[in-house]
Amino acid sequence: GNSVTQMEGPVTLSEEAFLTINCTYTATGYPSLFWYVQYPGEGLQLLLKATKADDKGSNKGFEATYRKETTSFHLEKGSVQVSDSAVYFCALYLGGSEKLVFGKGTKLTVNP
Amino acid sequence: GAVVSQHPSRVICKSGTSVKIECRSLDFQATTMFWYRQFPKKSLMLMATSNEGSKATYEQGVEKDKFLINHASLTLSTLTVTSAHPEDSSFYICSASRTGVGSNQPQHFGDGTRLSIL
Repeated sequence: GNSVTQMEGPVTLSEEAFLTINCTYTATGYPSLFWYVQYPGEGLQLLLKATKADDKGSNKGFEATYRKETTSFHLEKGSVQVSDSAVYFCALYLGGSEKLVFGKGTKLTVNP
Repeated sequence: GAVVSQHPSRVICKSGTSVKIECRSLDFQATTMFWYRQFPKKSLMLMATSNEGSKATYEQGVEKDKFLINHASLTLSTLTVTSAHPEDSSFYICSASRTGVGSNQPQHFGDGTRLSIL
């Protein structure tokens, strides 16, 4: 079946630290991959995406590269800010009427 | 961009009452909407897929008589938690499916509803 595994955390970092949140997937086809962010008390917002192998998604200083050979889509940011504190979800989508498949989410706390 | 509006954002009510949550797609038509429940440890659980004009498809383990879903128009789906009890307290999130031209993601999410049953 289709599934997403991401490091569960929580992750606590100091401001300006480097962030990596690992995400790997299993899929029966060729999925699109997404990172969503959820700020406290809010719904999910699309952070970035990649639709095919070797694509790099980027937004707000975050990056993730679609690695087909390792079935991974790790999220990185070179210098986190306090405002990046949120829960991050990795997800895959196979298209058509398929559902979004989410990882369990990783809570990030950035301290000043 | 596409916007999904969810209402109310927060509701507190007594045990035994029914609560209705609305999910609207504001600038596009959504034949499919999804309802999720988020547990305290943050994981998202898909409850059901709501299809306009037909019955919702519930995930395994979700009580369809407890969580009534109606998708009467292309822009509105409602989730009614019937005879709510404290264990139904949770954060409920809806999303609307939008594919094709003008969409950069398969689902657009509402801001969620915090339901607290006393």
